[in-house]
Amino acid sequence: QVQLQQSGPGLVEPSQTLSLTCAISGDSVSNNGAAWNWIRQSPSRGLEWLGRTYYRSNWNNDYAVSVNSRITINPDTSKNQFSLHLRSVTPDDTAVYYCTSGWAFAIWSQGTMVTVSS
Amino acid sequence: DIQMTQSPSSLSASVGDRVTITCRASQGVNNAVAWYQQKPGKVPKLLIYGASTLQSGVPSRFSGSGSGTDFTLTISSLQPEDVTTYYCQQYTSVPLTFGGGTKLEIK
Repeated sequence: QVQLQQSGPGLVEPSQTLSLTCAISGDSVSNNGAAWNWIRQSPSRGLEWLGRTYYRSNWNNDYAVSVNSRITINPDTSKNQFSLHLRSVTPDDTAVYYCTSGWAFAIWSQGTMVTVSS
Repeated sequence: DIQMTQSPSSLSASVGDRVTITCRASQGVNNAVAWYQQKPGKVPKLLIYGASTLQSGVPSRFSGSGSGTDFTLTISSLQPEDVTTYYCQQYTSVPLTFGGGTKLEIK
């Protein structure tokens, strides 16, 4: 049974980088048939898919246009996890952040409420 | 981007009622539509995928239908524990997108 365990700070200062990690158990980040996503949810934006990483003979990423210039999602095969880095955050990036697997999301992490504030 | 327009945004119904929530995609999505239930403070729960396939463990009173651009989630007999918010999502192309949600309340 696949499980996702998320970690990272709940408070980030404006203009800094938001960094979260999602540890995978029960599957491999390198699984050739899987995809690993980051999603956020806020009252103003609703549920918003941010991007994903996946392995198909080589590593690939897809990102939402709204964050494309600020986001990086990296796999870490040595630790079987993947990470989100969102640069130059503003209060508008305040949200609950989740990691998920697949395309229709049966598996979610527990979520992290991230507040952008000084 | 494919826009997913959900309606209604809120709905009031009685226990035992048949409830239908609609989601319209801005272009064809090849039946790659999922429905989620989210209770306050909880993680979204997958109910339906592939437009009509019931996720394991989900009560059979939930069903999904539709094709092309128009999709529906139906609860055949509303139960008190179903009162919460529902979302649709398309996963045929990136960016993956969600509907704005439907808040279901008891009349």
